[in-house]
Amino acid sequence: SAVISQKPSRDICQRGTSLTIQCQVDSQVTMMFWYRQQPGQSLTLIATANQGSEATYESGFVIDKFPISRPNLTFSTLTVSNMSPEDSSIYLCSASDRGTNEKLFFGSGTQLSVL
Amino acid sequence: GENVEQHPSTLSVQEGDSAVIKCTYSDSASNYFPWYKQELGKRPQLIIDIRSNVGEKKDQRIAVTLNKTAKHFSLHITETQPEDSAVYFCAASIYGNKLVFGAGTILRVKS
Repeated sequence: SAVISQKPSRDICQRGTSLTIQCQVDSQVTMMFWYRQQPGQSLTLIATANQGSEATYESGFVIDKFPISRPNLTFSTLTVSNMSPEDSSIYLCSASDRGTNEKLFFGSGTQLSVL
Repeated sequence: GENVEQHPSTLSVQEGDSAVIKCTYSDSASNYFPWYKQELGKRPQLIIDIRSNVGEKKDQRIAVTLNKTAKHFSLHITETQPEDSAVYFCAASIYGNKLVFGAGTILRVKS
């Protein structure tokens, strides 16, 4: 399967600031997904990012808080805006080379701490 | 929407024993059921998956079974080894739709 490079791997940020997370896939993929994993918890889908269209957000997540870019078939960014301590979490990007949500592979994650 | 429940939340087994993790799903239209393994501080990795037209699938020491009538599926690990210690997540989806993950099971294999 393809490989996703995600950065930064971790960051400590101040309340009210923003952080942009980048994911680069080593092959072209139609769909990319952004997940949040709070400490000791499961994976929650934030949004689906398709190239050439606006991201589709899940209930509880809004574009103003989590803007996403998908400029081409190998790259996506997620920004966590106006951060608060409640945003402290691990953020993971994922993709499938099947053009669906099957056989997802994940980036290494970004561990975000907001002070 | 889909809801996936996973049990147990923690499981301790002796090395060489078998481990079984069970998940139930709510949407009878779900037709894709993957299992992911996440070691501490690492990314989740797909270990096995099954579609609804198959009742069982095996890959060496790992197997998954699916009961569509009861809407549950299980992960079976035989001859457990210390390197099997990790968090295991089940998930379910309708083809092409989002994956919904279970809460996870912490598996500890004692040597």
